[in-house]
Amino acid sequence: AQKITQTQPGMFVQEKEAVTLDCTYDTSDPSYGLFWYKQPSSGEMIFLIYQGSYDQQNATEGRYSLNFQKARKSANLVISASQLGDSAMYFCAMRDKQTGANNLFFGTGTRLTVIP
Amino acid sequence: KAGVTQTPRYLIKTRGQQVTLSCSPISGHRSVSWYQQTPGQGLQFLFEYFSETQRNKGNFPGRFSGRQFSNSRSEMNVSTLELGDSALYLCASSAGDRGVETQYFGPGTRLLVL
Repeated sequence: AQKITQTQPGMFVQEKEAVTLDCTYDTSDPSYGLFWYKQPSSGEMIFLIYQGSYDQQNATEGRYSLNFQKARKSANLVISASQLGDSAMYFCAMRDKQTGANNLFFGTGTRLTVIP
Repeated sequence: KAGVTQTPRYLIKTRGQQVTLSCSPISGHRSVSWYQQTPGQGLQFLFEYFSETQRNKGNFPGRFSGRQFSNSRSEMNVSTLELGDSALYLCASSAGDRGVETQYFGPGTRLLVL
């Protein structure tokens, strides 16, 4: 089974609107970490936000928030007030004991396009 | 702090050659992980080095190898290059000793094998 599933190959959002990028995961380990990264066309992976499996509250970082629904095994990224510079690939990733220390398992990504 | 740096940024090689890529982690970080990104396979973990020792390894053939130096800089080597090795190679660094940590990535090395 896929550890990370991103079902949206591409998404469009109007500038200044909010957008949700979906991510579901699969693990039997009670301790795990979920990450979102942004990859512009330049190629660099930019860390956005982290959610630990034991965190009681949803993570937030500026315009980024993570809608963490543990029972449903989903960790959707919400970007508020979209900007043109948000156009990029977005990857959800997970680390658990099976993957090992500092070994992230990535989803296939979602390409977000922000429309002026 | 300076970010993760990778050299070279772009590389063109021919089949059968070998290549060495370099990664300098964020100052103070002792863990360096390497990933391969291709359109077909996506992002895949190659290996991780911590304190000069390989701590974890992905499912890649032995042609892919790496090492880490005492200053935490890491190199990865690919021998007998194949067309399918064309990819973006990303390295990421983290402190390495604090449980679940955030990995910070470099800009990548784009390798084209002809």
